[in-house]
Amino acid sequence: SQTIHQWPATLVQPVGSPLSLECTVEGTSNPNLYWYRQAAGRGLQLLFYSVGIGQISSEVPQNLSASRPQDRQFILSSKKLLLSDSGFYLCAWTHNEKLFFGSGTQLSVL
Amino acid sequence: GQQVMQIPQYQHVQEGEDFTTYCNSSTTLSNIQWYKQRPGGHPVFLIQLVKSGEVKKQKRLTFQFGEAKKNSSLHITATQTTDVGTYFCAGGTGANNLFFGTGTRLTVIP
Repeated sequence: SQTIHQWPATLVQPVGSPLSLECTVEGTSNPNLYWYRQAAGRGLQLLFYSVGIGQISSEVPQNLSASRPQDRQFILSSKKLLLSDSGFYLCAWTHNEKLFFGSGTQLSVL
Repeated sequence: GQQVMQIPQYQHVQEGEDFTTYCNSSTTLSNIQWYKQRPGGHPVFLIQLVKSGEVKKQKRLTFQFGEAKKNSSLHITATQTTDVGTYFCAGGTGANNLFFGTGTRLTVIP
């Protein structure tokens, strides 16, 4: 069966520090992968999606970037975090148009 | 751009009471999906509706897709404490442009 792993679960970073969140999917090949952000008490905002290795589409201009170095690996990065980057980050993949989410990373930028 | 509005934002109900959340899109949708996010957890796929006027049931949950495919509702009969969480609708055409509503946070008072 397919599984999605996301880490770390929580992260506290100072303003101006770099960021790297990693997501891997197992049990499937060539999945569509997504990064969403959820601000406290709010809905889900699509940040990036990828349909294949090296293919990244950005939905919202911001301080973040994404990369897909391997078929089952999706990385969310930032060179310098801002206070506004705080939130709950979710990686997801799709199967038959349905989204399956990882357990999320709670990022606090202080 | 496409927007998906969801109301109410919060709902407190006594255990045993019914609960309904409504989702409205500014444009016609090809499908509508519903997700549930438990406190501290990640969104979990509940159901997808595709046909105009479609109604689907999952035990005490009833999902409806409007005739014009621009609105949807989720109704829970006789709520239980296990129903606590935030319910999101998501509409669009394929997961690459799936627009999430802002969610309805349900609190069930025992």
